Amino acid sequence: EVQLVESGGGLVRPGGSLRLSCAASGFSFSSFGMNWVRQAPGKGLEWVSSITGIADYLFYADSVKGRFTISRDNAKNSLYLQLNSLRVEDTAVYYCAREIPVVTVPAKNLDYWGQGTPVTVSS
Amino acid sequence: QSMLTQPPSVSAAPGQKVTISCSGSSSNIGNNYVSWYQQLPGTAPKLLIYDNNKRPSGIPDRFSGSKSGTSATLGITGLQTGDEADYYCATWDTSLSGGVFGGGTKLTVL
Repeated sequence: EVQLVESGGGLVRPGGSLRLSCAASGFSFSSFGMNWVRQAPGKGLEWVSSITGIADYLFYADSVKGRFTISRDNAKNSLYLQLNSLRVEDTAVYYCAREIPVVTVPAKNLDYWGQGTPVTVSS
Repeated sequence: QSMLTQPPSVSAAPGQKVTISCSGSSSNIGNNYVSWYQQLPGTAPKLLIYDNNKRPSGIPDRFSGSKSGTSATLGITGLQTGDEADYYCATWDTSLSGGVFGGGTKLTVL
């Protein structure tokens, strides 16, 4: 059974940092790209970042570029998101999600999601 | 402001059919595959449709997807009260080199 479990969320001051983790199990972790998607309170889903299976390509939303860093440790079946220079508008539940491999046509097919970890940025 | 435009809400009676639209551009929907997600209150999103019109294992055939040009549509037939949720479309945007989600549509089953 595929499982994704996020952790590391919490309350942080503006300008602060946080590191989110996502522990994966039940599948060959290194064979799948992984994503972070966030949802601000009462708002819609926002794609944040993605990383390919062997971490040769990293992608970021403009809203977090230069402040957030995605990484993975395939030996530990774990995905990470380092959040720096946090802003009030980064307050959200952060989900990690597995991506169905792209064969030919680009897509954003996310087939398994974790339960999310909340991040609150407030003074 | 999302790159993909969805109606904020739709509604229909139990047993009826509803469609949810998702409008984009040539840099996203027009040349890439679309996926659809259902988010029940207080839960994580769930994949309903991928690659425009494919259903993952376990998703009933009451849910269907289609795409034409720079727009995509999610169809739900035989509406049930349990279908009340927020629905999101998503795809890759080639110009942004990133994923994009629609703003979401709240479905009410009257």
